[in-house]
Amino acid sequence: DAGVIQSPRHEVTEMGQEVTLRCKPISGHNSLFWYRQTMMRGLELLIYFNNNVPIDDSGMPEDRFSAKMPNASFSTLKIQPSEPRDSAVYFCASTPLSSTGELFFGEGSRLTVL
Amino acid sequence: GENVEQHPSTLSVQEGDSAVIKCTYSDSASNYFPWYKQELGKGPQLIIDIRSNVGEKKDQRIAVTLNKTAKHFSLHITETQPEDSAVYFCAARLSNFGNEKLTFGTGTRLTIIP
Repeated sequence: DAGVIQSPRHEVTEMGQEVTLRCKPISGHNSLFWYRQTMMRGLELLIYFNNNVPIDDSGMPEDRFSAKMPNASFSTLKIQPSEPRDSAVYFCASTPLSSTGELFFGEGSRLTVL
Repeated sequence: GENVEQHPSTLSVQEGDSAVIKCTYSDSASNYFPWYKQELGKGPQLIIDIRSNVGEKKDQRIAVTLNKTAKHFSLHITETQPEDSAVYFCAARLSNFGNEKLTFGTGTRLTIIP
């Protein structure tokens, strides 16, 4: 079975540019999470969705970050405009609503903003 | 919100010896405590979890202990092997359901010395 699929795996961009990260959750999973990983702060939850509805976006750093989930099989995380401090690995994870435990993570999108 | 602290940040252990990683959490209402392993270039993967009604859980060479009174839990890896080298994250959650927020510690980089 395919796991969580993220794209791009690597992105290098210049400060001020728009960045869009994409995620396809595991089929049948209706909860989706976006995490950001940095050396200093570890894994931080940015936002999560249940049944395509954003439940908690309190971790989104500022208005430059936005996330959407237009349907059950696709989500995007957008940064506009990007800044060097946004450089990190961004992970998407999914789980079934009925689950009592495990989050299934994608392999991440490594973002470098110059 | 929940705050999870994890120690040590790095740990080197001789192959065959045991490794212990400790975490503390702030919210006494948290009742689910998983551990994730992250290999280089991959997303985190669940290796073991424990719920608040259990004090200890084992799975082959891995065990987790939970002290709810002190609000801390630990990961124990016995007879360590080179493939145990990775970054380990503890986490805590208020709910029994997977569709709720999971708060991670900052990670421990474990190196097994052959």
